[in-house]
Amino acid sequence: AQKVTQAQTEISVVEKEDVTLDCVYETRDTTYYLFWYKQPPSGELVFLIRRNSFDEQNEISGRYSWNFQKSTSSFNFTITASQVVDSAVYFCALSVMDSNYQLIWGAGTKLIIKP
Amino acid sequence: EAGVTQFPSHSVIEKGQTVTLRCDPISGHDNLYWYRRVMGKEIKFLLHFVKESKQDESGMPNNRFLAERTGGTYSTLKVQPAELEDSGVYFCASSHSEVEQYFGPGTRLTVT
Repeated sequence: AQKVTQAQTEISVVEKEDVTLDCVYETRDTTYYLFWYKQPPSGELVFLIRRNSFDEQNEISGRYSWNFQKSTSSFNFTITASQVVDSAVYFCALSVMDSNYQLIWGAGTKLIIKP
Repeated sequence: EAGVTQFPSHSVIEKGQTVTLRCDPISGHDNLYWYRRVMGKEIKFLLHFVKESKQDESGMPNNRFLAERTGGTYSTLKVQPAELEDSGVYFCASSHSEVEQYFGPGTRLTVT
């Protein structure tokens, strides 16, 4: 069975601080995909990134960076120099072929950036 | 190219009433998924269509939920009769390759 754990229910930081959101996943499949989505107060799901299990390269996109480590089954997300607009709920998700690529979601981390 | 659209954006109904949610996928996407997030909990998979066929409906909570996908185009999710615990946000996603899912804006359902 697959599982995604986001242990941090809520994180609150002051603007300009760096913040890391943790994601730990479980799967027996060797081929899988990992995702991060952002859900701002307006409610829609905004796609941030997708990684496949064969690509462990870290990725940076502006103030966002992702650290994928298969050895620890983690796919952590760091926001550098956080801004108030980053306030949202962030979801980590996993999909595998055997489950028709349905997304298995973590519980989400609510990020609050204070001005 | 238009994205995934969902209608209505918000629905408020009384317990026992019926509500139908609609999802229009991206044109040409054979795969259509429904998910929902009940207040404060994680997003959960409901079901997956490939064209007009239900590929996987293992996430449907009970027989009060009925999903259809007419002619492999738009999909509807009917809740009848609605219960309080059905309140939440219902998301629809479509994909061409199954891996890359494009989400609609969601329908917020409030059952009072």
